[in-house]
Amino acid sequence: SQTIHQWPATLVQPVGSPLSLECTVEGTSNPNLYWYRQAAGRGLQLLFYSVGIGQISSEVPQNLSASRPQDRQFILSSKKLLLSDSGFYLCAWGVYSGNTIYFGEGSWLTVV
Amino acid sequence: GENVEQHPSTLSVQEGDSAVIKCTYSDSASNYFPWYKQELGKRPQLIIDIRSNVGEKKDQRIAVTLNKTAKHFSLHITETQPEDSAVYFCAAYGQNFVFGPGTRLSVLP
Repeated sequence: SQTIHQWPATLVQPVGSPLSLECTVEGTSNPNLYWYRQAAGRGLQLLFYSVGIGQISSEVPQNLSASRPQDRQFILSSKKLLLSDSGFYLCAWGVYSGNTIYFGEGSWLTVV
Repeated sequence: GENVEQHPSTLSVQEGDSAVIKCTYSDSASNYFPWYKQELGKRPQLIIDIRSNVGEKKDQRIAVTLNKTAKHFSLHITETQPEDSAVYFCAAYGQNFVFGPGTRLSVLP
């Protein structure tokens, strides 16, 4: 069966520091991969999605970036965090476009 | 692009009553509509979904209906229980997934 792992689970970072969140999927090949952000008590905002290695689409201009160095690995990064980057970051995967997506456990980021 | 609206934003029901959450979408090309349940501090989890070639789907106490002409779909939960308390998100897939803003459901014992 397929599983998705996301880490770290929580982190507290100072403003201006870098960020790296990692997500890996097991049990499937060539998944669609997604990064979502959820501000406290709010909805799900799509940040990036990828349909293959090195293929990244950005939905929202921001100081975040994403990379997909391997088929089942998706990384969310920032060179300099802002206070507004605080939130709950969720990685998700899907078998193909237009099918169900499944979320990882999420990473709580607090920028102080 | 696609826009998904969801109502109500909060909903309180007595245990055993039914709950209905409604979503509308704007892109007539959207063809897949999942519903997710998110408990506090946890990830959203799929509870039911429906495709555009189906009008209704049911899974035990949960059902979803879709009206393609009106571009709206609804989640129905019958015989609600305290463990149904959570935030529920609808989504529509056209070119990508777009989520509604969520409904916080509280089931009062």
